[in-house]
Amino acid sequence: DADVTQTPRNRITKTGKRIMLECSQTKGHDRMYWYRQDPGLGLRLIYYSFDVKDINKGEISDGYSVSRQAQAKFSLSLESAIPNQTALYFCATSDISEDTGELFFGEGSRLTVL
Amino acid sequence: QKEVEQNSGPLSVPEGAIASLNCTYSDRGSQSFFWYRQYSGKSPELIMSIYSNGDKEDGRFTAQLNKASQYVSLLIRDSQPSDSATYLCAVYAGNMLTFGGGTRLMVKP
Repeated sequence: DADVTQTPRNRITKTGKRIMLECSQTKGHDRMYWYRQDPGLGLRLIYYSFDVKDINKGEISDGYSVSRQAQAKFSLSLESAIPNQTALYFCATSDISEDTGELFFGEGSRLTVL
Repeated sequence: QKEVEQNSGPLSVPEGAIASLNCTYSDRGSQSFFWYRQYSGKSPELIMSIYSNGDKEDGRFTAQLNKASQYVSLLIRDSQPSDSATYLCAVYAGNMLTFGGGTRLMVKP
């Protein structure tokens, strides 16, 4: 089983719908991240959390919200999806004790908003 | 805003050649530097990390860092078709990892 698991892996939805992407990890890492990837734009940070009580906005947080339900779970929500939120979304974790910056990624969630 | 810049490519090299991938960054306080490889539709995977000026070799891969020039590169020797992927440069500073847009590498048999 993957150390960082994302669900759903693929989702097609309509404009205005609420969508939740879930991420769970078994690595025991405190830090969790949500990234968005668009062709040619690399990975852009949406939100990150350094522990259960810590939530921070990233580079492109508008239109998104997150919830850190437990050390192992970090969910990303789109309250009212719009077509330009069509993208590949990645959850990632890192180890605070090492603090090297290395990230461990989930397999990605491909979201299409029609 | 912290920036990490890469040529988007595609960079096309023949099998067996050396592929050279380059990256520049804007934050002089950057501490750690990474190269991730990403196959189409897959998640990024770490292939190299470098923390100090100079070269770091790991098998066919060599990472090079020049902090004065704010430049990091990745050399892939004896390139194979299986190396065809997008290579993402990532720079760590202030508890944050910032990614470049990636360079697409194509290795032709």
